[in-house]
Amino acid sequence: LAKTTQPISMDSYEGQEVNITCSHNNIATNDYITWYQQFPSQGPRFIIQGYKTKVTNEVASLFIPADRKSSTLSLPRVSLSDTAVYYCLVGDIRDYKLSFGAGTTVTVRA
Amino acid sequence: GAVVSQHPSRVICKSGTSVKIECRSLDFQATTMFWYRQFPKQSLMLMATSNEGSKATYEQGVEKDKFLINHASLTLSTLTVTSAHPEDSSFYICSAKLRGVDTEAFFGQGTRLTVV
Repeated sequence: LAKTTQPISMDSYEGQEVNITCSHNNIATNDYITWYQQFPSQGPRFIIQGYKTKVTNEVASLFIPADRKSSTLSLPRVSLSDTAVYYCLVGDIRDYKLSFGAGTTVTVRA
Repeated sequence: GAVVSQHPSRVICKSGTSVKIECRSLDFQATTMFWYRQFPKQSLMLMATSNEGSKATYEQGVEKDKFLINHASLTLSTLTVTSAHPEDSSFYICSAKLRGVDTEAFFGQGTRLTVV
């Protein structure tokens, strides 16, 4: 499983865009990049998944450069309820032995 | 999306007793379920992988005799913490994979276990 590195914490204010970058230098050809969100005392919740270039859904965008050695999760116009831990996972989607790193604690302030 | 339900959401038990946690896939069949443990302020740690109809595969350092996992059907996996001790107090989370579909893993809401 590819090792991932992401910032431990990030602070933001309501209405701002939050970008979290994850490094995964050893990503393999079959690996996908998946981001999860976790609130305290809850299970992780899927946010977005991508393989290359850009993926966008109703809650976030995922930017992946051509070399795929990093990825950036973009949360547009965050609100207080976006305060959570965000995990970047890299692996083959056929293998669900997910390995969670430390994650990034995002704190949104009013 | 698919729903994974855990029960109970929180449980307090006495030291030395056993506790069973259920993980159900409510609207899909899950050939594989995973059990994680999460201590306060820490990330999720995979404990074991549970395949329907076969023995679970435990991660290194996880005692299989202490954490009994049963995956008797395509919609239910159980984790039993046997002879629980205060150090077993943690947040236990299960996840499930849809049968035959390569999508994201779906997680339960977690079970807060407190051993007193």
